[in-house]
Amino acid sequence: KAGVTQTPRYLIKTRGQQVTLSCSPISGHRSVSWYQQTPGQGLQFLFEYFSETQRNKGNFPGRFSGRQFSNSRSEMNVSTLELGDSALYLCASSPTTRSGELFFGEGSRLTVL
Amino acid sequence: GENVEQHPSTLSVQEGDSAVIKCTYSDSASNYFPWYKQELGKRPQLIIDIRSNVGEKKDQRIAVTLNKTAKHFSLHITETQPEDSAVYFCAALGEGGGADGLTFGKGTHLIIQP
Repeated sequence: KAGVTQTPRYLIKTRGQQVTLSCSPISGHRSVSWYQQTPGQGLQFLFEYFSETQRNKGNFPGRFSGRQFSNSRSEMNVSTLELGDSALYLCASSPTTRSGELFFGEGSRLTVL
Repeated sequence: GENVEQHPSTLSVQEGDSAVIKCTYSDSASNYFPWYKQELGKRPQLIIDIRSNVGEKKDQRIAVTLNKTAKHFSLHITETQPEDSAVYFCAALGEGGGADGLTFGKGTHLIIQP
């Protein structure tokens, strides 16, 4: 079974731009969660999608948004990028919602200049 | 929402010795506590978990203990080996009305000295 796939793996943007990251979950998994990983803050929860609906949302500004498609693939978007948005964005899938047993992708490393 | 504190941030032990990482949580309704291991440049992977109706769980050289009254849980690694070098994250899954998802500690960088 293929693992969680995230694209792109690396990207560089400038302040004020926007970015869209993509995540394909493990086949059969209907929940997709997104996390921001930074050296100082560890793993911070962004949001979770299950059956195309946002089920949970972390404490991030409205510039961070996401969606999930009928095939469970998910995208997250960050608008008006700031320097502090530089991070590794990890996607994780699980069979059910609000599961602590997550299967992570390799992540998308975003650098904002 | 849930808050998870993890200590220490860095832990260096001699190969063959034991390592202990401790976490506390704030939401008494949390009922699931997984531990993830992240090797350098790789994705986090679940290594062990414990539910609130269990006090201890073991899997070969690793074990996790949970004290619900004190709201803390710990990861124990015995007979440490070089491949145990990684960052370890504890986490808690809350049941409260807030939608926090899985809340992680800030991680412990475990260094195994040869």
